[in-house]
Amino acid sequence: QQQVKQSPQSLIVQKGGIPIINCAYENTAFDYFPWYQQFPGKGPALLIAIRPDVSEKKEGRFTISFNKSAKQFSLHIMDSQPGDSATYFCAASTHNNNDMRFGAGTRLTVKP
Amino acid sequence: SQTIHQWPATLVQPVGSPLSLECTVEGTSNPNLYWYRQAAGRGLQLLFYSVGIGQISSEVPQNLSASRPQDRQFILSSKKLLLSDSGFYLCAWNIVGPQYFGPGTRLLVL
Repeated sequence: QQQVKQSPQSLIVQKGGIPIINCAYENTAFDYFPWYQQFPGKGPALLIAIRPDVSEKKEGRFTISFNKSAKQFSLHIMDSQPGDSATYFCAASTHNNNDMRFGAGTRLTVKP
Repeated sequence: SQTIHQWPATLVQPVGSPLSLECTVEGTSNPNLYWYRQAAGRGLQLLFYSVGIGQISSEVPQNLSASRPQDRQFILSSKKLLLSDSGFYLCAWNIVGPQYFGPGTRLLVL
């Protein structure tokens, strides 16, 4: 079964816009929530991650918002650029991290 | 620093032929190792993971198998490829924390 649901499947924004990608999880034992960025033909690269003891984490233009009671988390990209065009995956795992479950991915296109 | 390698980068194989994809990690000891498959435009499907030499856990039953002959080497194999085995195969590693992915192998079965 799909333990991490990600939406939307694809997203198109103009340069400077703020794309938002949402994920929801089911397993309350999950306590680590990373986001990965993947360019075509490349492996996914870790972008930013959060643990449920904080509600928000920011690294540069990327921000994760986390709502533990709703079992939801989201990625915001501030001042998006064409170079941010990629597929983004959310994921969730328990503390030992060898049971990581991935969302289906969001293909983001940032138009110049 | 740690580095993960996968080869080959691209592979075209006929249906029914065998398969061997290799993954190696440098700069760490006793990592957890993972094989994922990604179909075109799709998410990541965990195939196998290993927490140590000779220890393999299978997530999805299929005609693929995995082996870990050395601490930092993970091999994905098949005796007879199917058309449905086409995809992008990714190896990943971690100790405790996020998983780090290799560059991937694109497999096309014809």
